[in-house]
Amino acid sequence: GQQVMQIPQYQHVQEGEDFTTYCNSSTTLSNIQWYKQRPGGHPVFLIQLVKSGEVKKQKRLTFQFGEAKKNSSLHITATQTTDVGTYFCAGWGNQGGKLIFGQGTELSVKP
Amino acid sequence: NAGVTQTPKFQVLKTGQSMTLQCAQDMNHEYMSWYRQDPGMGLRLIHYSVGAGITDQGEVPNGYNVSRSTTEDFPLRLLSAAPSQTSVYFCASGDRGTYGYTFGSGTRLTVV
Repeated sequence: GQQVMQIPQYQHVQEGEDFTTYCNSSTTLSNIQWYKQRPGGHPVFLIQLVKSGEVKKQKRLTFQFGEAKKNSSLHITATQTTDVGTYFCAGWGNQGGKLIFGQGTELSVKP
Repeated sequence: NAGVTQTPKFQVLKTGQSMTLQCAQDMNHEYMSWYRQDPGMGLRLIHYSVGAGITDQGEVPNGYNVSRSTTEDFPLRLLSAAPSQTSVYFCASGDRGTYGYTFGSGTRLTVV
């Protein structure tokens, strides 16, 4: 079945450093979504990318969808302590309603 | 708007006991899903539904049952609890629009 891989599993950065997490799917995705989960909280939807090669920005966060629609990345510029949490990518399976998540990247930021 | 409501928030079960985790949404979403979250394993899909009366298995369905008699409710039943089912369970709802899934606050289940 469809698999969504995410690396790295953990990333520790100094405040002000950049951070990137990568997501790869075993199959072509119709779209990809990104979520953030704060420690002790629940995942919260950030954004959805649909088009091949699409790039979207939310303040210091930049999201990219690969040309082949099988990979994606999230880049955070100049991390802040408020960025701490786990970032997940997720892709829809071939069957409607089946949203498969990657393993997530846990980001810690040292002030 | 309450969003997605999960009950209970915490539960301790003995091995072999059964229970139902409740999930309700008030956003008229057609899709609903149950995930479990374990350290280092991300969010794994247990069961999902694309509408009332329609359910299907996800990645880790064994030991769990679901039903969806209404658009609003999607309960998850543990048939005979095992320690391997100790986890945090999240219910989520949404559609294939642009707004992604809305998650409940989770149920932390411990099986002893």
